[in-house]
Amino acid sequence: NAGVTQTPKFRVLKTGQSMTLLCAQDMNHEYMYWYRQDPGMGLRLIHYSVGEGTTAKGEVPDGYNVSRLKKQNFLLGLESAAPSQTSVYFCASSNRQGPIYGYTFGSGTRLTVV
Amino acid sequence: GQQLNQSPQSMFIQEGEDVSMNCTSSSIFNTWLWYKQEPGEGPVLLIALYKAGELTSNGRLTAQFGITRKDSFLNISASIPSDVGIYFCAGQNYGGSQGNLIFGKGTKLSVKP
Repeated sequence: NAGVTQTPKFRVLKTGQSMTLLCAQDMNHEYMYWYRQDPGMGLRLIHYSVGEGTTAKGEVPDGYNVSRLKKQNFLLGLESAAPSQTSVYFCASSNRQGPIYGYTFGSGTRLTVV
Repeated sequence: GQQLNQSPQSMFIQEGEDVSMNCTSSSIFNTWLWYKQEPGEGPVLLIALYKAGELTSNGRLTAQFGITRKDSFLNISASIPSDVGIYFCAGQNYGGSQGNLIFGKGTKLSVKP
């Protein structure tokens, strides 16, 4: 099983450029999340989705948009990239039906904004 | 919002030593989870705890859900080089946005052979 797949794995953007990070899961999970990880800051939630067609803001949503048009995909968009958005981005998914076993994470996208 | 205080921030130990790290919160959680992140990878779930006072083992790893529901600890016995990584605690409650995981800032473990 692939689990959670993130594309691309690495990207360098110039300030002001836009891009979309793609997350795909094949576990039929209802919930999907986007986190960013910065040194010494742990994992901070950007946006999340509790089902197809729904999205909600997390702890640090400014500068990002998301869409969940299909249950298996969760897209994270940067409309106008800024150097402060240089980070490692992780997508995760979970199934809230029945026992909660935590999240399954992708392997991350390392984004550098210059 | 809820915050988790994870300590220590980093540890440098000799192979074979035991390791202990903990996580505390000002509010209670229904579930405590421990994740490990290896370089270049996403976090992977190690242990999940669902009841106050619960003690759970996974190989050389042992974790406990504090009786007050505001803390948890993780022990690693007889450390080996492949234990290197960042260990995150996470707390979770049920229902709505409160069901989202709250992560600690991580404990970076280095093991000297």
